[in-house]
Amino acid sequence: KNEVEQSPQNLTAQEGEFITINCSYSVGISALHWLQQHPGGGIVSLFMLSSGKKKHGRLIATINIQEKHSSLHITASHPRDSAVYICAVRPNYGGSQGNLIFGKGTKLSVKP
Amino acid sequence: EAQVTQNPRYLITVTGKKLTVTCSQNMNHEYMSWYRQDPGLGLRQIYYSMNVEVTDKGDVPEGYKVSRKEKRNFPLILESPSPNQTSLYFCASSLSGAGGYTFGSGTRLTVV
Repeated sequence: KNEVEQSPQNLTAQEGEFITINCSYSVGISALHWLQQHPGGGIVSLFMLSSGKKKHGRLIATINIQEKHSSLHITASHPRDSAVYICAVRPNYGGSQGNLIFGKGTKLSVKP
Repeated sequence: EAQVTQNPRYLITVTGKKLTVTCSQNMNHEYMSWYRQDPGLGLRQIYYSMNVEVTDKGDVPEGYKVSRKEKRNFPLILESPSPNQTSLYFCASSLSGAGGYTFGSGTRLTVV
């Protein structure tokens, strides 16, 4: 049961390129999170979305609730953006307020 | 500094020997949770806690126990570890479960 699907699984880009990572989900949700996991293993929360669009520096996250789809964009990519990006959703069905369902992640490598 | 502290970072143990992985947060967050991360499977939720003395199962709770006797601490207990519990474990906290998450640095557990 892949309730959260990410694409692509792997992505290689040249420095400066515009990057898009996609997340589709099949359940009703109350929120969607984008996480970043660096090669050292640590996980950082980038965005939490329930509607619309958020921007932080060169990162932009959008969500379309009706289409059950979210995108993470990186403008002017840099080698330090190399990481695994993980989409996670919080379902809104009863009794699951604390549960998170994760995508398998997108491994991004940005070459200088 | 606001953080989630996990200990130990690395642990090698033998089958059947009880162990505890500690997790502590200093942000007065109500929500805490445990995840395991395995290659090809991504992150999966083990247990979560919406508040003191309130815990609930995630997707993969078998073989694990948790307790939440005080707000800041949420230890993960493996009463009788088995090799299939070899994994990378993360603890996380959130103000309410509805907001952004702060993750610990991870615990790499090997059960031989």
